Amino acid sequence: SQQGEEDPQALSIQEGENATMNCSYKTSINNLQWYRQNSGRGLVHLILIRSNEREKHSGRLRVTLDTSKKSSSLLITASRAADTASYFCATELSNAGGTSYGKLTFGQGTILTVHP
Amino acid sequence: EAGVTQSPTHLIKTRGQQATLRCSPISGHTSVYWYQQALGLGLQFLLWYDEGEERNRGNFPPRFSGRQFPNYSSELNVNALELEDSALYLCASSLFRGGPNTGELFFGEGSRLTVL
Repeated sequence: SQQGEEDPQALSIQEGENATMNCSYKTSINNLQWYRQNSGRGLVHLILIRSNEREKHSGRLRVTLDTSKKSSSLLITASRAADTASYFCATELSNAGGTSYGKLTFGQGTILTVHP
Repeated sequence: EAGVTQSPTHLIKTRGQQATLRCSPISGHTSVYWYQQALGLGLQFLLWYDEGEERNRGNFPPRFSGRQFPNYSSELNVNALELEDSALYLCASSLFRGGPNTGELFFGEGSRLTVL
C-alpha cells in the first residue's frame, strides 16, 4: 500500500475559505514534501519539511508534521480559484547508512476545487 | 533557465511495440527520476539515475528500462507494451549531493503514452 495517504480524497470550497488536507504515512521518514498538480500536467513542489521540523510556512501555505502520529497537514489560507488542483504528499526514506533511496513515495492525492 | 523537458508530449503505440521517452534535466542537476502516473493509481516510482548510474528501481518488470547519458539527460524504454502501460510518464530532476535527502524534485510536464 502507499506510504502516504491523503485525506480527504476530494475537497470543494468557496474562494476565501481555508483548505486543509491531511497526509498519513507508515514508516519513519527523512522528510515529507507537498506537491501540486494541475490537471494532467507535471507536479510543482510546494514545500519540504524535515523530520526534525514541526511547522513550516510559505506564503499562504502552512505545513505541520507530527512524527509521533506519522501525519502531516497542508493548510492553504484564503483560497483562490487558481488553487484548484490535486495536492500530493510524498515521503522519503533513507537506508541504514543514511543515504537516500532516491525514491519519493506519493499518496493518492487530494483533489481541491475552489469555486469563485 | 529552462526547466525539465520531456519528449514526446504524446505517444500512441500498439500492444507489443516499444516506446522510448526522453528527458532533459535542469542544467546542473545530475539526478533524474522517472515516475508512472496511471489513472487511479497515483505516482509510482520507476527509476532513479545519478551520475550516469542506475541507483534505484521501483517494482516494475524488466521490460521497463532506461539509461542516463553523459550530459545527464535520460531515456526510458518500455518494451513489449501492454494496455496497462498507458499512463502519464513523469521525469524529474534534482540537485542530489548524497546524504539522506534528494530534496525538491523538479518535474517535467510528462509524456502521455497510450497503448491500443
